[in-house]
Amino acid sequence: EIVLTQSPDTLSLSPGERATLSCRASQSVSSNYLAWYQQKPGQAPRLLIYSTSIRATGIPDRFSGSGSGTDFTLTISRLEPEDFAVYYCQRYGTSPLYTFGQGTKLEIK
Amino acid sequence: QVLLQESGPGLVKPSGTLSLTCAVSAGSISSSNWWSWVRQSPGKGLEWIGEIYQGDRATYNPSLMSRVTISVDNSKNQIFLRLNSVTAADTAVYYCARNGAYCLDVWGTGTTVTVS
Repeated sequence: EIVLTQSPDTLSLSPGERATLSCRASQSVSSNYLAWYQQKPGQAPRLLIYSTSIRATGIPDRFSGSGSGTDFTLTISRLEPEDFAVYYCQRYGTSPLYTFGQGTKLEIK
Repeated sequence: QVLLQESGPGLVKPSGTLSLTCAVSAGSISSSNWWSWVRQSPGKGLEWIGEIYQGDRATYNPSLMSRVTISVDNSKNQIFLRLNSVTAADTAVYYCARNGAYCLDVWGTGTTVTVS
């Protein structure tokens, strides 16, 4: 089973700054199969990015995804107050079909 | 935009059966979509439970396969989750979701289940 490890566990930044979140896979992942989600307290995860770099419907262009192989990145170019949340990467594959990273908490500095 | 809403007992006794319903609105579950169940607990994070397609094809997480059944009622536009022999480790928030392009593109609001 492929394991996704996100770093850092917690990222403390200020509004207006740039955020870079990492997701590392224990084995190579097809770029089509890597997605990112945002989760705020008491809410369900929300799809941000799929196929490594495609923004989901309604997602602002300050969110971008990149990467290949085992290393993937979610970048938020200029943080807005509503961006402070927990972010998860997810990989589609086999047995189980979907696996998630442990999450990165983006908190206000 | 399709909407998903989970419901079911919030408290289940150990060794009992967890049964949840996901009601789908503004969309049909008999369309060309797979539908998943995912759970989230403090100890294990987000865990995919399984998926179903048009009521006749289901795939499960191997870690839960021996205890889980996912089914649908197309006439009611509902998806069901059944998990047998529950323990405290099954305490979690349970979500239903629509499968997108190798991702889960629409999620329900979630329902909390406590095993105690």
